Amino acid sequence: AQSVTQPDIHITVSEGASLELRCNYSYGATPYLFWYVQSPGQGLQLLLKYFSGDTLVQGIKGFEAEFKRSQSSFNLRKPSVHWSDAAEYFCAVGTTDSWGKLQFGAGTQVVVTP
Amino acid sequence: DAGVTQSPTHLIKTRGQQVTLRCSPKSGHDTVSWYQQALGQGPQFIFQYYEEEERQRGNFPDRFSGHQFPNYSSELNVNALLLGDSALYLCASSLAGTANEQFFGPGTRLTVL
Repeated sequence: AQSVTQPDIHITVSEGASLELRCNYSYGATPYLFWYVQSPGQGLQLLLKYFSGDTLVQGIKGFEAEFKRSQSSFNLRKPSVHWSDAAEYFCAVGTTDSWGKLQFGAGTQVVVTP
Repeated sequence: DAGVTQSPTHLIKTRGQQVTLRCSPKSGHDTVSWYQQALGQGPQFIFQYYEEEERQRGNFPDRFSGHQFPNYSSELNVNALLLGDSALYLCASSLAGTANEQFFGPGTRLTVL
């Protein structure tokens, strides 16, 4: 069965420290991979996407993610976290044969401490 | 350039009632998808509309239906509301051919009492 797993429900990180959020997927077809961020009461904002090519992708707000096919992973990273990065982060997967149907992970809540 | 807009922002209904949510896609987009996000969960795909037809559907009952208009805007209708339908309903728009890159609206918070 197709699935998207975000193993960490909640992560607390100090401001200025690095952040890594994990995402693993199980899909038969070639996946398209996304990271979205959701602030309280808001919709989803696209941080970055991977369709093909270079497996290290750069996004907005200083985020990057690396696609590792052998590990079926697409982890999100940021070298130095700001207080404004506190939010919920969702990994999502689509496929070429799913006509735009995204499957989301359960999300990771990030708390940033002073 | 206006992004994806949704109305209303919040809605309170009682069990058994019917509700209609509205979405206007980002300028230039022709495809609209709807998602349900229950509290503490990731969004779940309901269905997608392109060229005024439902193109894909997730695992939702027939109580959930939709429509797309010639101007690409869309409605989500839910009949016979249940308590479990309480959620944030998100609309996402995209351009056919790049259908996997979706831009989301702020959502409509539906509360069923």
